[in-house]
Amino acid sequence: GNSVTQMEGPVTLSEEAFLTINCTYTATGYPSLFWYVQYPGEGLQLLLKATKADDKGSNKGFEATYRKETTSFHLEKGSVQVSDSAVYFCALSDSGAGSYQLTFGKGTKLSVIP
Amino acid sequence: DTGVSQDPRHKITKRGQNVTFRCDPISEHNRLYWYRQTLGQGPEFLTYFQNEAQLEKSRLLSDRFSAERPKGSFSTLEIQRTEQGDSAMYLCASSFWTDQETQYFGPGTRLLVL
Repeated sequence: GNSVTQMEGPVTLSEEAFLTINCTYTATGYPSLFWYVQYPGEGLQLLLKATKADDKGSNKGFEATYRKETTSFHLEKGSVQVSDSAVYFCALSDSGAGSYQLTFGKGTKLSVIP
Repeated sequence: DTGVSQDPRHKITKRGQNVTFRCDPISEHNRLYWYRQTLGQGPEFLTYFQNEAQLEKSRLLSDRFSAERPKGSFSTLEIQRTEQGDSAMYLCASSFWTDQETQYFGPGTRLLVL
């Protein structure tokens, strides 16, 4: 079946530091890949997505590249801000399943300190 | 467009009671999904609707759980005879037919069973 593995958290960074959150996946078909962000007390917000190999998703300074050869979709940001403090979820959607249901990783909590 | 809304945002109940949650998707989104998120974990798929038809149910959805989407608009999720293990965040998401794989989430309903 499908699965997503994220790096363990929590991650604590100083403001303006470089961020990488690792994500690898296992899928039977050809998934689309997503990063969602969850701020305290809120639901999930779509951060970025990529639908095929070598695609790069980007939004709000965050980037992730779909690497089929390494089955990875690592999230990066060059300079984090305090407002980026949240929980980040990597997810995949397998169109072959018909339902497009999302399979999520366990999440990585990021804290950015001034 | 006001986004996906869920009601109530919080629910505290005693073991053995029935609870019902409501989700209003983004207008004209034909697919509606329910997920459950426990503390420290990523969301897990429960079920989904395409218009008013419930097309798939996860093995996580025991017989005590029932979901409806009677007119293809809002949806309800009912849990009968609640158990302490049902305590979780229940998330609703919707998607539009032209981009089925991109799901937009509501703020969630946090259930605590005492």
